[in-house]
Amino acid sequence: GAVVSQHPSWVICKSGTSVKIECRSLDFQATTMFWYRQFPKQSLMLMATSNEGSKATYEQGVEKDKFLINHASLTLSTLTVTSAHPEDSSFYICSARIPGLAGGIQETQYFGPGTRLLVL
Amino acid sequence: GQNIDQPTEMTATEGAIVQINCTYQTSGFNGLFWYQQHAGEAPTFLSYNVLDGLEEKGRFSSFLSRSKGYSYLLLKELQMKDSASYLCAIMDSNYQLIWGAGTKLIIKP
Repeated sequence: GAVVSQHPSWVICKSGTSVKIECRSLDFQATTMFWYRQFPKQSLMLMATSNEGSKATYEQGVEKDKFLINHASLTLSTLTVTSAHPEDSSFYICSARIPGLAGGIQETQYFGPGTRLLVL
Repeated sequence: GQNIDQPTEMTATEGAIVQINCTYQTSGFNGLFWYQQHAGEAPTFLSYNVLDGLEEKGRFSSFLSRSKGYSYLLLKELQMKDSASYLCAIMDSNYQLIWGAGTKLIIKP
């Protein structure tokens, strides 16, 4: 199946610093990528929808100035957590959408392996 | 409002069959997904249903009834590695996924 990678897989940083997480679709082009956050024992929470070449759409309650999303190419989206604080510590997961085509490709989303962020 | 319900936890025996149900109420519908998530890992895709009926993939099958707002994931010949959380998700009219809280499946020998 399609492969989505994330880098880094683990990051530990000091409070106040910024952290950039990359999400890449390795063998397909993704016009739409999604960023999720998952706290322990909770469901995935959609943070934002990233469309190539346009501004990301953020979910209610997600600060767009704090979580900067850039989708500069069809295979790369980045999430930058600016001025990170301990409450931002979480598991960040991206997914890339393959739209369904009648009689052909099945609609689905492929997930990256996730990035664990720990802010001290 | 939008709502997806699935049981919090289920227990089954190795080699047996288990059915995980998912009921939903959403404002738009572009398909229903089932994902498997092992602890500490990202979800992996299991199935996608957009038409009514049963889709079979090896040991896993997924069923959808759009009129009833109901789906189930059927796992046969359970193996210990099937112990995981199973997430039901609806793709809404904006092609975003609305997630259920997940069902933790515990497999016992």
